[in-house]
Amino acid sequence: DVKVTQSSRYLVKRTGEKVFLECVQDMDHENMFWYRQDPGLGLRLIYFSYDVKMKEKGDIPEGYSVSREKKERFSLILESASTNQTSMYLCASSFGQGYTEAFFGQGTRLTVV
Amino acid sequence: QKEVEQNSGPLSVPEGAIASLNCTYSDRGSQSFFWYRQYSGKSPELIMSIYSNGDKEDGRFTAQLNKASQYVSLLIRDSQPSDSATYLCAIYTGGFKTIFGAGTRLFVKA
Repeated sequence: DVKVTQSSRYLVKRTGEKVFLECVQDMDHENMFWYRQDPGLGLRLIYFSYDVKMKEKGDIPEGYSVSREKKERFSLILESASTNQTSMYLCASSFGQGYTEAFFGQGTRLTVV
Repeated sequence: QKEVEQNSGPLSVPEGAIASLNCTYSDRGSQSFFWYRQYSGKSPELIMSIYSNGDKEDGRFTAQLNKASQYVSLLIRDSQPSDSATYLCAIYTGGFKTIFGAGTRLFVKA
């Protein structure tokens, strides 16, 4: 079974804190993604990576950065957390060129207070 | 106009009935089409993919694609209470760009 594991299920952080969300996949997938999911808005792509040390902006990258130093690990960084970043964050991975099935982690519910 | 539109629901159907979920999209260059199921508090999981016009069947699920009319649908036959979930439509438009709809909540009443 493909496993995508996110480091935390729930997080509560203060405004202005630097926040790290970690994601690890065990299927040697080239592609990794970070989405946020908000009611009525669906999944919106923040950043993705198609190879180690490679990253591309998605639709809503402002206020976020990412790091991919190893193939299996993709980190999302909130440089200075704000209340409008309160959301469900989902990491996903997929194999190969273009878009194939994405396997999702269990999600991290982040609350910024 | 949103790029991928789904009726948010909830769609309520009795057990054993056919549930019909619809999705429309705006990009005529869209290449691949996916349906994900997301149970409450869980992450999405792929249940169907379709790449060409027509129907694709997998067990109780049928995906239908009409590129000329820019819609894709998911039919669930013999609906079960365990099918109660949010169903997300995802459209791949090229490169690494996949756009998700907001999802339709389905309730199957026992």
